[in-house]
Amino acid sequence: AQSVTQPDIHITVSEGASLELRCNYSYGATPYLFWYVQSPGQGLQLLLKYFSGDTLVQGIKGFEAEFKRSQSSFNLRKPSVHWSDAAEYFCASLILTGGGNKLTFGTGTQLKVEL
Amino acid sequence: DTEVTQTPKHLVMGMTNKKSLKCEQHMGHRAMYWYKQKAKKPPELMFVYSYEKLSINESVPSRFSPECPNSSLLNLHLHALQPEDSALYLCASTLGAPNTGELFFGEGSRLTVL
Repeated sequence: AQSVTQPDIHITVSEGASLELRCNYSYGATPYLFWYVQSPGQGLQLLLKYFSGDTLVQGIKGFEAEFKRSQSSFNLRKPSVHWSDAAEYFCASLILTGGGNKLTFGTGTQLKVEL
Repeated sequence: DTEVTQTPKHLVMGMTNKKSLKCEQHMGHRAMYWYKQKAKKPPELMFVYSYEKLSINESVPSRFSPECPNSSLLNLHLHALQPEDSALYLCASTLGAPNTGELFFGEGSRLTVL
């Protein structure tokens, strides 16, 4: 079954440092992939998405992600982290079914930013 | 308007109560979703409505009863819940098949069952 895996449960970075959050997907065809962010007690906000085309995707808040088919990865990056980036980050994939499109999530990565 | 609005934001109920969660969107989306999220876990899909018809039920207990009165509204009726049902309930919407696109999420309704 199609799924995404986030290997890192927690990551701590210093403010101003670069960030990379890992996401691996398992699916034969080109998947529809997303990164969402969730602040404590809040809903989910879309950072970026990949459907097809250019494998380097730009998102909001200075985030980008690169789709690498050879590595089955869709890692999220940011060159310089801000304290306000501390949150939970979810990689997700969209599964197209006859009954409707289902969005399934990885287990999430908790990002802590040290000042 | 790119918002999904959920009410109430917080709800406390006893195990014998009947309550409802409400979700509204005015983006013209034709697919609407209920997700359940426990603390420090990813959201788990409960139901999908596509063009106002229930299209996916992820084996959710019958004490949760979804309803889609029209294309803009989605309700989740709650009855005889258990304390383990306490969670953040997220509503989402998207354009709907055959389109593929991101889901827009509401802020959630935090439910506590006593």
